[in-house]
This record gives sequence, structure tokens and C-alpha cells, in this order.
Amino acid sequence: QVQLVESGGGLVKPGGSLRLSCAASGFTFSDYYMSWIRQAPGKGLEWVSYISTGGFTIYYADSVKGRFTISRDNAKNSLYLQMNSLRAEDTAVYYCARRYDSWGQGTLVTVSS
Amino acid sequence: DIVMTQTPLSSPVTLGQPASISCRSSQSLVHSDGNTYLSWLQQRPGQPPRLLIYKISNRFSGVPDRFSGSGAGTDFTLKISRVEAEDVGVYYCMQATQFMYTFGQGTKLEIK
Repeated sequence: QVQLVESGGGLVKPGGSLRLSCAASGFTFSDYYMSWIRQAPGKGLEWVSYISTGGFTIYYADSVKGRFTISRDNAKNSLYLQMNSLRAEDTAVYYCARRYDSWGQGTLVTVSS
Repeated sequence: DIVMTQTPLSSPVTLGQPASISCRSSQSLVHSDGNTYLSWLQQRPGQPPRLLIYKISNRFSGVPDRFSGSGAGTDFTLKISRVEAEDVGVYYCMQATQFMYTFGQGTKLEIK
């Protein structure tokens, strides 16, 4: 069965960096585009970034453009999100999603001094 | 960006009774490939979102047939024929016609 397991979240100070990872299993990872979607505490869902199967097409939400970088390693069945210059408003649970049909459990990122 | 607007934002329902949620998009969700990428997600308390319906009316694997979707263009509806206790949670419509997915505000389904 499809499994997506995020890791790398935690507490970081404003201006700091974190790298999230998503380990995929149960499907042919290289066949699917992937996304990161986040949910601030008690709030709705916000799409963050998209990456195509080969990693050549990438999109970002305006709110993270220039600060976040999405990448993937098809040999390792893994998706990544490098987050720099973090702000308080980036505090959220970050989900990786296969297209939009399967979601991981999420990893919490808290940006606070 | 495509704005998704859901109504109602809260829906108290009696067990065994039907429930309905509406979703309107700010522009047509018909893709150039002819498909309409409108989906419905369910988020139970403390859980990640789960896909229920994709491309307006297709139930995802394992989704009970009491869930159904309908609509076209910019107006869409999720219906639950008979609400069960496990249906409590927040329901989101989302569009994937543009790769920059956008979501409705969410509708909280609760039992009266």
C-alpha cells in the first residue's frame, strides 16, 4: 500500500532553516508528481510546492518563493523541502502528497524565538 | 489564483440523515485536456486529509458509496446519503486544474 512518511520538522528560530524529507513506498515513486501542502494550527490547507516526475518542472506558492526549494531523488524514493529564512507564519504541519490522492501523516514545523 | 468557496462552513447533522456541501470556484475548472480536476477531501480529527472524490464524481479506493460528488464548470456538491459517526470531521473541496492547488475553507461536519 502507498506509504508516505515525512520527517525533519521541529522548532527553529525566525530566519533559520530546516530540511524536510518524505520517504515513499508501495508505488513507483518516479511515475508520480509530488507536492508539499501545509496546514497552520487550526487552519485550512495551503499548497506549497509541486515537482514533476523527473524534477524538471517545479512550482511554488508566492508565500514561499525564493525561500523554499523542492527536490526529489527517484533512486531513493524520496522527496525533500529545503526551507530557508523561516518566518513565524511558516509554522504548520507539512504534508507530502502523491499528486493529491495520498498524503503522509505530516511533520510539524514551529518557527518561534 | 482560483478561489474556492464552500458553503456551509459548519453542518450539524443527525445520524442517518443526509448531508450536502457546496463548493464554487472563481473560474471554470475544466482543464485543456477536457477533465475537471475537482476533488473532495475528508480530514478526521487529528488525521491527515484523505481523498474521497476526484474529477467531480469518482470515488477513490475504499471510499464508501454513501459519498457522492456532482457538478460541472464552477459549481460542485458533495453529498453523504446517510451520515455515520465516523464521518465527523472537516471536508475540503480542492482544485487541481492548475498545479497551484487551491482549497476551500473547509466545512465542519458534526453530529447534532
